[in-house]
Amino acid sequence: QVQLVESGGGVVQPGRSLRLSCAASGFTFRNYGMHWVRQAPGEGLEWVALIWYDESSRYYADSVKGRFTISRDNSKNTLYLQMNSLRAEDTAVYYCARDRDSSAWDSFDYWGQGTLVTVSS
Amino acid sequence: QSALTQPASVSGSPGQSITISCTGTSSDVGGYKYVSWYQQHPAKAPKLIIYQVSNRPSGVSNRFSGSKSGNTASLTISGLQAEDEAHYYCNSYTSSSTRVFGGGTKLTVL
Repeated sequence: QVQLVESGGGVVQPGRSLRLSCAASGFTFRNYGMHWVRQAPGEGLEWVALIWYDESSRYYADSVKGRFTISRDNSKNTLYLQMNSLRAEDTAVYYCARDRDSSAWDSFDYWGQGTLVTVSS
Repeated sequence: QSALTQPASVSGSPGQSITISCTGTSSDVGGYKYVSWYQQHPAKAPKLIIYQVSNRPSGVSNRFSGSKSGNTASLTISGLQAEDEAHYYCNSYTSSSTRVFGGGTKLTVL
């Protein structure tokens, strides 16, 4: 069965960096676009970034552009989110999600359980 | 990248039907077929319930249906059940090739 397992969350000071990972299993990872979606405590969902199946295209929300980088290693079935210059407003549960389409046009059909990132001094 | 507009809350009694709207622009909801809906119970990951405006994934109850008119998409839940009480979010592809969520709607089953 499809499984997505995030890791790498924790408490980090403002201005520091953190890298999240999402280990995928149960499907052919290299055939699917992938996303990161976050949810601040008590708030709604916010789309963060997407990457095509072959890494040829990546897109970001304005709120993270220039600070976050999405990447993937298809040989390791793993998705990453490098987060730099973290701010208090980046505090959230971060979910990785699979797209129904290889070029991430469609919907998020499988989600991980999420990993909590807390940015605080 | 302004969030899509959803009502903050809706409610209904068991057995009734409710509809949640999701309003965007011609650059997102109105311009593409890639509108989807998600159900999220407390402390759980979201679950896809509608994709491409009106399609249900395998295993999702046929009590859930979706539609779109112009820049507004809608999710209808018929035959409300207690287990339907949750938050619901719409999402759309955008002309910038990004994605945007609605603010979310809390459904209360009375």
